[in-house]
This record gives sequence, C-alpha cells and structure tokens, in this order.
Amino acid sequence: AQSVTQLGSHVSVSEGALVLLRCNYSSSVPPYLFWYVQYPNQGLQLLLKYTTGATLVKGINGFEAEFKKSETSFHLTKPSAHMSDAAEYFCAVGSQGNLIFGKGTKLSVKP
Amino acid sequence: AAGVIQSPRHLIKEKRETATLKCYPIPRHDTVYWYQQGPGQDPQFLISFYEKMQSDKGSIPDRFSAQQFSDYHSELNMSSLELGDSALYFCASSLVGLAGGPSRAETQYFGPGTRLLVL
Repeated sequence: AQSVTQLGSHVSVSEGALVLLRCNYSSSVPPYLFWYVQYPNQGLQLLLKYTTGATLVKGINGFEAEFKKSETSFHLTKPSAHMSDAAEYFCAVGSQGNLIFGKGTKLSVKP
Repeated sequence: AAGVIQSPRHLIKEKRETATLKCYPIPRHDTVYWYQQGPGQDPQFLISFYEKMQSDKGSIPDRFSAQQFSDYHSELNMSSLELGDSALYFCASSLVGLAGGPSRAETQYFGPGTRLLVL
C-alpha cells in the first residue's frame, strides 16, 4: 500500500523567504513521487516528478525537491518566495494506474 | 501546447438528476483518468481508461459510469445525483504507448476541472 502525508495544511512565509513544504511517503515498492500546484479555481499543474536517478529534482517556477529514501521524504523547496507562489500544493505518489495525493498544503505569501 | 479540455466548466443540477462530464485529452494521449475533489479535500481517483478499455477503478460510486471513445475523449456519466456529489471533477491524460497500461511513473496532465453543484 502507498500513501503520502503532508505536514502542515497551511504554511505562511514572507515574500523573499525560503519556502519549505513537507511531504513524507509510505511505499512497499520504489516510489514515484510528484508535486502538483493548484491555483484558485484552476486545475492541477505538474511542478516536478521523481522517478529514478538524481535525487534532487528541479521543477518549474524555481521549485525543487529532494528524494531522501532514508527519511522517506520528498520535501519541496524554493529559495525565495514570490507573491505569485500563493496556491495549494499537493504531493502525490504514483500507484498502479493512478495517483494518490496528500491532503495538500496551502501556501500564503505575505508582502 | 494543447492541454486537456473539460466541458462544461460549471454545472448545476438538482438532486436525482443526471449529469455528463466530458474530457478531451491532450492530442495523441491514449489514457484518461478521472478524479473527484470535494471542498477542501485532496483529489480522489475514480476511474481510468487506456486505449478505450477500463484500466483501473478507484472509489467510483455505482451510480457513476464512464467510457473512452474511439477518438480518445472520455465521458463521465453521473446518475441519481446526491448533494454529496458536489465537487470539482478533474480529468487527466497521459501517453502510455505500448506499455500495455499506465504505470506508477506515469505523468498525468490535468484539465481545469468541472465544478458540479448539486442542489
């Protein structure tokens, strides 16, 4: 069985500050991990994905995530937050034929 | 680049009515997935189709059915609507190719969703 846990349903940062969104997974097989972003009233947009190989994955909009097997984590980071980053972020693990999502983390960016 | 198209974008229905949601995948994508996202919830997988055959089934109620047509578009049919069916319904698509079905590594591209409100 596979699952994803996102720590913190709501994260607030100041503009220009580091963004850290936490995701831990549970998987009985090597995981395939994804981060999606959802802006208000919009669909899910893929930020980045990890399959195999390099454990540091770079995505769009300056985001990156590091796969750490020893910690079963796939945290999402961005060095400097922009106002436009305010959205909800979902971590997901690939299951056979579908995605299993975490509960999501809503990111607020203060000016 | 072309994206996944969903129609309608918004739909209001009464209880016990039926609704049909349509999904047009990215051109040349052969696999379609349906998800339901309730208010403040994470998306929950409903059903998927690969090459016009059902490939996986999640928490889809028996009142719902879906199919994928020869042009690869998909329709989600919902009958005897209940208040609890009010949600955002997403369609996603991917190109699986000759693998025989979607794998855990599949990248799914999501449409903008259909917001269904049942009164």
